[in-house]
Amino acid sequence: DTEVTQTPKHLVMGMTNKKSLKCEQHMGHRAMYWYKQKAKKPPELMFVYSYEKLSINESVPSRFSPECPNSSLLNLHLHALQPEDSALYLCASSQVTGTEQFFGPGTRLTVL
Amino acid sequence: GENVEQHPSTLSVQEGDSAVIKCTYSDSASNYFPWYKQELGKRPQLIIDIRSNVGEKKDQRIAVTLNKTAKHFSLHITETQPEDSAVYFCAASPFSGGYNKLIFGAGTRLAVHP
Repeated sequence: DTEVTQTPKHLVMGMTNKKSLKCEQHMGHRAMYWYKQKAKKPPELMFVYSYEKLSINESVPSRFSPECPNSSLLNLHLHALQPEDSALYLCASSQVTGTEQFFGPGTRLTVL
Repeated sequence: GENVEQHPSTLSVQEGDSAVIKCTYSDSASNYFPWYKQELGKRPQLIIDIRSNVGEKKDQRIAVTLNKTAKHFSLHITETQPEDSAVYFCAASPFSGGYNKLIFGAGTRLAVHP
């Protein structure tokens, strides 16, 4: 299995809602990532987990809360988002540094 | 801070022509340089990557060159086909702690006309 999967594919939420994005990989990768991508822009790194520990938080607002329950799963908990948070949220994984990073298909999030 | 500049932002070629995209990075600790292709509505997919101990790498119609002294690297696509039309992103990352910290360029929108 050489794929990263993400659910849901699309999500519409209000500013007071709480929702979660899920990411899964079964390639044995020990690094997992969350990116945010706005239209016509490159992916922007949000969080990195290495061996299930948070290694990088790129000064992301606390309304985004990552969680890595085990080496195969990565969640992103969303609460009190703003309309400007609407974007494509991409999950990725890699074996170690300097190796291919596989991206999931993304969750397209719309905040009303 | 860390930065990757990518040029051109758009590139239009005729089928069969070559396409070249250039990137410059600022962090001298960068050692890993992947190139991603992203088609509309799809995930970024790795097309080729190069590490700092190699100056050039080729995979069929795609090649990447790296000049560490000048801190720039380039993507070369030969014999372009309409299915090569997409947005291409370069990226740079240092080797660190078991993960990549990819800094992406702004992207190049390549259009290949039949």
